[in-house]
Amino acid sequence: QQPVQSPQAVILREGEDAVINCSSSKALYSVHWYRQKHGEAPVFLMILLKGGEQKGHEKISASFNEKKQQSSLYLTASQLSYSGTYFCGTEEAAGNKLTFGGGTRVLVKP
Amino acid sequence: DVKVTQSSRYLVKRTGEKVFLECVQDMDHENMFWYRQDPGLGLRLIYFSYDVKMKEKGDIPEGYSVSREKKERFSLILESASTNQTSMYLCASSLGEGPGTEAFFGQGTRLTVV
Repeated sequence: QQPVQSPQAVILREGEDAVINCSSSKALYSVHWYRQKHGEAPVFLMILLKGGEQKGHEKISASFNEKKQQSSLYLTASQLSYSGTYFCGTEEAAGNKLTFGGGTRVLVKP
Repeated sequence: DVKVTQSSRYLVKRTGEKVFLECVQDMDHENMFWYRQDPGLGLRLIYFSYDVKMKEKGDIPEGYSVSREKKERFSLILESASTNQTSMYLCASSLGEGPGTEAFFGQGTRLTVV
């Protein structure tokens, strides 16, 4: 039932780019992205809705392929502050339960 | 700011004890969630509530129950705690109305069952 994220971990140098993927076997209404820093609660980054609405955050953007039930998160020109674990969450219907993937650990080095 | 408050940051309980984890949100949100976070397994949904006294099982409900008597409070109950329930537990809430609303998380409760 959980969406599947890949890769499980990625190490970047400051300024490099990375892509995190999220896929589901279910038809989706929305995809959420959250970032969790060590010892802290997950924090909302963005929502992508069925129908193509996208909301970006700083130099982090995302896409949602409704036909394939896949979403990708793009970390562009990464900064040290981008380090953390990224989770995608999926909803099958508006206001429905939110199910998360296994997470992707991102480490950005100087 | 939305605030989701979990009653304890750290909890140590004995095997077989009945354990209550409490979560309160202050923004009149319809939806509340309980997740369990384990290394390599991400956030796994235990239970979801979309209204007072309404609940729905998540992916791993076995060994857990929930209670939502008031809109702002969502409790997770371990009827008889076992060592395999040692984990980080996260509560979250969301507005629940309208297209795609973000979830707000509490700081988590790290439960150790000995």
